[in-house]
Amino acid sequence: DTAVSQTPKYLVTQMGNDKSIKCEQNLGHDTMYWYKQDSKKFLKIMFSYNNKELIINETVPNRFSPKSPDKAHLNLHINSLELGDSAVYFCASSQVVDTQYFGPGTRLTVL
Amino acid sequence: EDQVTQSPEALRLQEGESSSLNCSYTVSGLRGLFWYRQDPGKGPEFLFTLYSAGEEKEKERLKATLTKKESFLHITAPKPEDSATYLCAVYGSSNTGKLIFGQGTTLQVKP
Repeated sequence: DTAVSQTPKYLVTQMGNDKSIKCEQNLGHDTMYWYKQDSKKFLKIMFSYNNKELIINETVPNRFSPKSPDKAHLNLHINSLELGDSAVYFCASSQVVDTQYFGPGTRLTVL
Repeated sequence: EDQVTQSPEALRLQEGESSSLNCSYTVSGLRGLFWYRQDPGKGPEFLFTLYSAGEEKEKERLKATLTKKESFLHITAPKPEDSATYLCAVYGSSNTGKLIFGQGTTLQVKP
């Protein structure tokens, strides 16, 4: 029944490791997004895909690589994790640009 | 550059004590202003979209209004369950496909 789901909910890892976060939406939306929320709760967009095509790529280190195997899925792979990558990552989807529906978030902690 | 500033950063109310949250914005060609509610450990939940100055929308104890420079989220006779962080975001014509968020207002309603 969940509209936008993410796995895992929590991710604790060591510096230098590679990890992935998965996102799926069952709303039939064409556009999906990745946001990063820092410790001050500030939400900032990282990437956006429309029907599997990358349309937004903010100034994010190239250690972050999104992949969209189909329009219902958008995964985020992070290489060589750094302490500063610790944050909550949210996936979202929308049919049109305005109303975006968010997933529950993945709390990433890099030790 | 599009920008969103929310005030106050934190607000404590007694149950039944009405108040307003402010969202000031600068954007090139506003195409939409959005209010979200975020509970601890969860993703932002969509509340309202406002498209033009003078527009108002209501949902239960919440009412959102919009002028050319700011939006207000009025909370009438709040209850403890209204406690959450309220996020404001804008979508402008120069930021195709992405929302610009404010830093949020954390509301605590005491019984």
